[in-house]
Amino acid sequence: NAGVTQTPKFQVLKTGQSMTLQCAQDMNHEYMSWYRQDPGMGLRLIHYSVGAGITDQGEVPNGYNVSRSTTEDFPLRLLSAAPSQTSVYFCASRWTDTQYFGPGTRLTVL
Amino acid sequence: AQSVAQPEDQVNVAEGNPLTVKCTYSVSGNPYLFWYVQYPNRGLQFLLKYITGDNLVKGSYGFEAEFNKSQTSFHLKKPSALVSDSALYFCAVRDASNTGKLIFGQGTTLQVKP
Repeated sequence: NAGVTQTPKFQVLKTGQSMTLQCAQDMNHEYMSWYRQDPGMGLRLIHYSVGAGITDQGEVPNGYNVSRSTTEDFPLRLLSAAPSQTSVYFCASRWTDTQYFGPGTRLTVL
Repeated sequence: AQSVAQPEDQVNVAEGNPLTVKCTYSVSGNPYLFWYVQYPNRGLQFLLKYITGDNLVKGSYGFEAEFNKSQTSFHLKKPSALVSDSALYFCAVRDASNTGKLIFGQGTTLQVKP
């Protein structure tokens, strides 16, 4: 099992650009989520999904879109990047009560 | 609203000494509590969880955590620290809703010195 994979590992964007952060898991987990990690703030939930076709907002959803067309994939879209979205982004899937995290994407918005 | 607090930004301990990383929580109902560890430039790894049962929970890499309902605490402990334990540690509580969302503390950096 590859577990949870994320691409790219690093990305630099200019303000106003759009991009998609990819996340995939091969564990057949129904629940997936996206977090952002900022210094001194822990991880904050952006969006989550309890299964294919079902998504919902987390704590900090503004500026981000998600979709879940398959159990395996849960991409995160930045519609118009802003410097405030500079962060490290983690995708996770969950089985029972345990979440499994991907390696992260470090995003810088100039 | 659920919340988690980690009162120490950093904990320093000498190798071989016991370590404690503190966590307090605020939840409605019974808490589901977790500890995760993050090594540099890596994702978070699950260490242990408390759902119900014994107040002392054992986890990966020799870590354990003590659940204290009266003090609303869930401190992470290890009897003998290793330099390789140096990392960022997060306490988390599961949201009371059925969504299973996790609410994280701000993290505590553990520095173990030789």
